[in-house]
Amino acid sequence: DTEVTQTPKHLVMGMTNKKSLKCEQHMGHRAMYWYKQKAKKPPELMFVYSYEKLSINESVPSRFSPECPNSSLLNLHLHALQPEDSALYLCASSPTGGQAGELFFGEGSRLTVL
Amino acid sequence: QQQVKQSPQSLIVQKGGISIINCAYENTAFDYFPWYQQFPGKGPALLIAIRPDVSEKKEGRFTISFNKSAKQFSLHIMDSQPGDSATYFCAARNRGNSGYALNFGKGTSLLVTP
Repeated sequence: DTEVTQTPKHLVMGMTNKKSLKCEQHMGHRAMYWYKQKAKKPPELMFVYSYEKLSINESVPSRFSPECPNSSLLNLHLHALQPEDSALYLCASSPTGGQAGELFFGEGSRLTVL
Repeated sequence: QQQVKQSPQSLIVQKGGISIINCAYENTAFDYFPWYQQFPGKGPALLIAIRPDVSEKKEGRFTISFNKSAKQFSLHIMDSQPGDSATYFCAARNRGNSGYALNFGKGTSLLVTP
């Protein structure tokens, strides 16, 4: 079983809705990541938090808003999404920033935007 | 631009055979090369990884071969089993990018037939 837990597993939302994806890890990792994955494609990096500070924002549209309340939790707030945002959203963690190869992924939240 | 080129896109191997997936890169700033395995509906999981000062690494039935001069690395799965059927991603970490971002290959869908 993965040690990175993501909720919900599935989410369907309309373009005017506001929703949030949640991620939790209890491995003591200090870097946490959001990735987006389309079908049959590799994961694409969206955001990186290192020691609870946003370190990387890969030019992600502002309708995606990350939040890291503490070292174990990571949220992704969603607002006014487009149908093309439908994808698998993966949370990952690594022991520290700078060791991105040793990523531990959650099982993902499958998002459908209608 | 894809910084890590992976081939083949799909692979069918009989049970007991050897599965071989190849990756190539150009950026000499890459310093860590992990392979991820992803089953349908799951997040990617780190399978095995290698650093460029090593030419081969073996873990059970999985072996990475690394050719630094050719800037190529490959995954060999010996005695392939139906349970190995999954998508495999090679990746490379850029030490010049704070080590956060992984460059993924496009993935190889492996099917091991009984």
